[in-house]
Amino acid sequence: EAQVTQNPRYLITVTGKKLTVTCSQNMNHEYMSWYRQDPGLGLRQIYYSMNVEVTDKGDVPEGYKVSRKEKRNFPLILESPSPNQTSLYFCASSRRGGSEKLFFGSGTQLSVL
Amino acid sequence: GESVGLHLPTLSVQEGDNSIINCAYSNSASDYFIWYKQESGKGPQFIIDIRSNMDKRQGQRVTVLLNKTVKHLSLQIAATQPGDSAVYFCAENWSQTGANNLFFGTGTRLTVIP
Repeated sequence: EAQVTQNPRYLITVTGKKLTVTCSQNMNHEYMSWYRQDPGLGLRQIYYSMNVEVTDKGDVPEGYKVSRKEKRNFPLILESPSPNQTSLYFCASSRRGGSEKLFFGSGTQLSVL
Repeated sequence: GESVGLHLPTLSVQEGDNSIINCAYSNSASDYFIWYKQESGKGPQFIIDIRSNMDKRQGQRVTVLLNKTVKHLSLQIAATQPGDSAVYFCAENWSQTGANNLFFGTGTRLTVIP
């Protein structure tokens, strides 16, 4: 089944403790992206990647890192999480980015205490 | 209705009625539009998309209409069912200038009244 898989589904952590949210897609997509979703603010893009070893900042990149060492994986790294990073996070992928249908993962609800 | 900028946050319809969710966009260069449905606790799911060389596209119980003159997009859902209750997002892209990403509106919450 074609899908975007995120883990974990729920995560509670404390301020300053490094964490990684994994994302994997099995559709051989070149483009992958991370979004955060907060009430009333819709989907805001954090980082995206057009292909392996190519990553770019989105609208809200501060406090986040990503890597794209393999085509299928695009982990989101929070080196020193803060409470304002408490949010619902979505990973997504598409064939080439741009005017292409995005496929979303099921989301990761992160709480930073 | 929803816009990539302004939005009407909620819409309530009676079960069995048709729903219309609107989206106004501001970039006249946008040439690709897409609608997503997001149910509570889930990721956005693709509903339907349309390119600017079309005015209308139909799917299963859904129709997207594009009016480029007034920069307006709408999603029509026929015979709305309780399972249609969700937040609906429109998104746009302007491929001719090489924009890499879809740009999302803030969403409209559709509530279906049984």
